[in-house]
Amino acid sequence: DAKTTQPTSMDCAEGRAANLPCNHSTISGNEYVYWYRQIHSQGPQYIIHGLKNNETNEMASLIITEDRKSSTLILPHATLRDTAVYYCIVSLQDSSASKIIFGSGTRLSIRP
Amino acid sequence: DTEVTQTPKHLVMGMTNKKSLKCEQHMGHRAMYWYKQKAKKPPELMFVYSYEKLSINESVPSRFSPECPNSSLLNLHLHALQPEDSALYLCASSWRGDSQETQYFGPGTRLLVL
Repeated sequence: DAKTTQPTSMDCAEGRAANLPCNHSTISGNEYVYWYRQIHSQGPQYIIHGLKNNETNEMASLIITEDRKSSTLILPHATLRDTAVYYCIVSLQDSSASKIIFGSGTRLSIRP
Repeated sequence: DTEVTQTPKHLVMGMTNKKSLKCEQHMGHRAMYWYKQKAKKPPELMFVYSYEKLSINESVPSRFSPECPNSSLLNLHLHALQPEDSALYLCASSWRGDSQETQYFGPGTRLLVL
């Protein structure tokens, strides 16, 4: 299974852009990159996903390198509510269902 | 409605008890998932149901028994658990179970086994 590597923790000032890196050097051509976050004691929340192209939605932007071996999640204007563990995940198809294998995640702290 | 609900929120049980966790979604999703999350660790996949059939079992001990009575409901039956089974149990659902689908997670059931 493809795996991801993320920094254990990061911090960012409120109002600034938070850039969270992820390495997925063994990703296969048909595997998607997903980002979820988990705020303390809640279930994981979907943020964004992509295959090859950069993606943007109301929450964040996802920049995937051309070789697809790494990606960066960008929270453009971080707020205190963005403090959470951020998981970069490679989603793969296994028989008749998909599997997401969570990595260890990055604990993002937003400071006032 | 993009909500996955889980009951109960908290559960304390002894090692000889039998209990069940319940998960429900009304988004018309046909794939449902159980995850286990220990403190300060990422969620780990346990089971996947696709169209009400068990499609993935990640070598989970038989003291955990999943059940999918219909497309909206997913249960996890617990029997003879060990203290090390104490964890947050998360349920998720997705449209059909394809790899490019978003999974929607419930808030979890926090289980303590004494």
